Amino acid sequence: AQSVTQLGSHVSVSEGALVLLRCNYSSSVPPYLFWYVQYPNQGLQLLLKYTSAATLVKGINGFEAEFKKSETSFHLTKPSAHMSDAAEYFCAVSEYGGSQGNLIFGKGTKLSVKP
Amino acid sequence: ETGVTQSPTHLIKTRGQQVTLRCSSQSGHNTVSWYQQALGQGPQFIFQYYREEENGRGNFPPRFSGLQFPNYSSELNVNALELDDSALYLCASSLETDNNSPLHFGNGTRLTVT
Repeated sequence: AQSVTQLGSHVSVSEGALVLLRCNYSSSVPPYLFWYVQYPNQGLQLLLKYTSAATLVKGINGFEAEFKKSETSFHLTKPSAHMSDAAEYFCAVSEYGGSQGNLIFGKGTKLSVKP
Repeated sequence: ETGVTQSPTHLIKTRGQQVTLRCSSQSGHNTVSWYQQALGQGPQFIFQYYREEENGRGNFPPRFSGLQFPNYSSELNVNALELDDSALYLCASSLETDNNSPLHFGNGTRLTVT
């Protein structure tokens, strides 16, 4: 069975500071990993995905994530936070390639950005 | 390119009633997935439809059912509503034949059961 744990339900950073959102996964097969962002009253938007091509994955809006098999982690980072980054972020795992099939999501981390 | 649209945006129902939620997939997409997102939780997979047939199901009881139509739009039906069914219901579409096709989510239907 697969699962995702997101450490910290709420993270607060100052504008311009480093953003680090943590995600650990459990999977019995090589996983496909995703980060999604959800703005208030909206659906989810894909930030980036890991599909085994490269361990460092670059996404939209300056975000990136590094797959570390030994640590079963897929943490999301951004060097400099912007006010527009305030949203909820979800890490997800799937045993299927691309985005087909069942995505298993973590509980989410709400990011606040202080001016 | 038209995105995923869901209707209605909000809905209030009484326990025991039935509800139908609707989803129009993004232009060119042939697969629809439904997720339930309870307050403060991540989305949970309900089921997926491809070629008008259920193509995978999560841990939801049979009172959650769906349909996909020839134009790839979809419905989610929930019978005998319970208070715990109150949630945001998200529809997502994708292209089955493209393994790199990401899920495109709609903005969801907020269902409140009283």
